[in-house]
Amino acid sequence: KNQVEQSPQSLIILEGKNCTLQCNYTVSPFSNLRWYKQDTGRGPVSLTIMTFSENTKSNGRYTATLDADTKQSSLHITASQLSDSASYICVVTGPGTYKYIFGTGTRLKVLA
Amino acid sequence: EAGVAQSPRYKIIEKRQSVAFWCNPISGHATLYWYQQILGQGPKLLIQFQNNGVVDDSQLPKDRFSAERLKGVDSTLKIQPAKLEDSAVYLCASRSNRKTKREGSGELFFGEGSRLTVL
Repeated sequence: KNQVEQSPQSLIILEGKNCTLQCNYTVSPFSNLRWYKQDTGRGPVSLTIMTFSENTKSNGRYTATLDADTKQSSLHITASQLSDSASYICVVTGPGTYKYIFGTGTRLKVLA
Repeated sequence: EAGVAQSPRYKIIEKRQSVAFWCNPISGHATLYWYQQILGQGPKLLIQFQNNGVVDDSQLPKDRFSAERLKGVDSTLKIQPAKLEDSAVYLCASRSNRKTKREGSGELFFGEGSRLTVL
C-alpha cells in the first residue's frame, strides 16, 4: 500500500535553532517528492521538489534530502524563525496520472 | 499571476443542511483537485478533474458529496446533507499539464481553503 509517514508529529524549538523533519514512504514506483509548508488557515505552499536522481535541494534556509534507496527524505530548517511555525507536509508522487500521496504532516512551533 | 481562488473561506452549518464550495483554478490549468483536510491530518483526495472530465472520484462519498467542472474551468463541490464528520477544510488545487521552469513537473498550487464547521 502506498503510504507516506512523517515524524515527529509535532515539534517545539526555540528561535534560531535548527531542526530536521523526517519523511518515510512506501510509494512505488516513485516519481518525485515534495515538501510543502502550510501556515495555519492557509493552503499548502511548495518548498522543494526532488526527483529520484536528486539527493539534496535547498530553498533558502530549507534543505531537503532524499535517499531513494531507503525511501527516506528529510527537511532541515536552519536558524529557525518565528515565521517557520507551520505544518510541513511531505508529498510523494508516482508516475502516470499524478496521484499525490500526502503525509500527515509535522506541526512545528518556533518560540521566541 | 492570480492563484487558485476559493470561496467561501468559512462556513458554519447545521447537520443535514447543504453547502457548496467554489474554486477557480489558475488560468490554463487543466487538472483540478478537491481535497478534504481534517484538523491535524494531511489532505485526502476527494476528486480529480482533467478539464471537465472526472479522472478519480474513488474516495468521494457519492451519497452526499458531488462535484462538477462543467466548462473545464471553475468547479463546485457540494455536500448534501452534511454530517458532523464533514467538518474540515476543503482545499482546491490545480496543476498545469505543461512543464515550465516555475511549475516544474506536476507542481500543485493550492487555494486558501474553505473551512466548514458542521454543528
